[in-house]
This record gives sequence, structure tokens and C-alpha cells, in this order.
Amino acid sequence: AQKITQTQPGMFVQEKEAVTLDCTYDTSDPSYGLFWYKQPSSGEMIFLIYQGSYDQQNATEGRYSLNFQKARKSANLVISASQLGDSAMYFCAMREGGYNKLIFGAGTRLAVHP
Amino acid sequence: GAVVSQHPSWVICKSGTSVKIECRSLDFQATTMFWYRQFPKQSLMLMATSNEGSKATYEQGVEKDKFLINHASLTLSTLTVTSAHPEDSSFYICSASIRGRDSTDTQYFGPGTRLTVL
Repeated sequence: AQKITQTQPGMFVQEKEAVTLDCTYDTSDPSYGLFWYKQPSSGEMIFLIYQGSYDQQNATEGRYSLNFQKARKSANLVISASQLGDSAMYFCAMREGGYNKLIFGAGTRLAVHP
Repeated sequence: GAVVSQHPSWVICKSGTSVKIECRSLDFQATTMFWYRQFPKQSLMLMATSNEGSKATYEQGVEKDKFLINHASLTLSTLTVTSAHPEDSSFYICSASIRGRDSTDTQYFGPGTRLTVL
């Protein structure tokens, strides 16, 4: 079974609008962490936001917020007020338990239109 | 803070030669570094976990004699692709792990190295 599932291969959004990128995960470990990374065409992976399984509140970092629904095992990334520079691949990743390894989803390509 | 560099950013080599890629954490010490491989339009695949001063831990299916990893210091890990072949052509990206104030380990990635083997 897929550990991390990103069901949207591609998404389009108008500049200045909000967009939600979906991510569901599968783990039996009660302790885990969820990450979102952005990969522009240059290739570098840019860390955006982190959510721990025990965190009570949804994580937020500037225009990025993580809609964490533990019972549904989903960790969707919400980007508010989209900018042209947000066009990139976005990867959801999970770290389980005491392991430091990250398991990545297949990614979602976001295109922001003017 | 948390800047990771990689060198070279791209390399073209002949089949049969060896290529070394360096990964450095510039403003922090990283006890653990990771090496990933990414094929076009695909996700990142973890190749190995590199701990300073010890042997790397390779993922299943990754040939340790083919992809030599050395983590000689807290700021430098190297990946050597030995006797490279065209099928080794890929984007190789490293990351370094840093522990935050809340004891969360976050991986910060280098800019990647594009390897083309002719």
C-alpha cells in the first residue's frame, strides 16, 4: 500500500486565489511527522511546512497552512493568495516513529496563471 | 540558516568513469545526511542514509559497491558513482538533517546534481 498518496498530478490556480493540494498517508505508528516541500524547475527541494502527529493545532507558515485531519489521515497543503512564483512541483512526505527517513508522495504540479 | 550545497550542479561523463558528488551543510553540523535519486517527472527515491563516522545504510535494491558514500565530517558527505553507465544518468539530490528546538528533525536539501553518462 502507498504510504503517501497525492492524487492530483496537476493543479491550476488563478493568481491571488487560494489552492489546496491533497495528501493522504498510511501509517500504524502513533508518532509521525508530515512535511511539504516545493520543487521549482531548478530542482532544489524547499522545505515549506511541518506537522507532527501530536500537534494539536494546524501548522502555518506565512501563506502556507496545513489542514491536518488525523482521523482521515490527510494533511492537505493550503496556499493562500497564490503568486506566479508558486508554480512548481509540491511533494508531501512522511517520517514514521523514530526513523529519520522521509517517504515521498508522487507530487503535484501546480501552475499559477496570471 | 540551514543551507546545503552540492557540487557539481551538473556533470557529463563517459561510460565507465567514476563521478564524485559533494554535499555540504554550510551553516550547521549534520550528523545525518541522505542521498536521493530522482528520475524525470518522478518522485524522490531514497538511496542511502549517511551517518558521520560510520558506514552508510543503503536502501533495498541500491548497490553499495556502485554508489559509494563517505561521510567524513559533520559538514560533508560524498557520493561516488563508480563505473558509471547511461542508466545511472539521473538527478541526484542530497539532504542534511537538523534538529529543531521542538526536537523535530527536518531535512534540508541541496540544489541537486544532474548526471549524464554518455
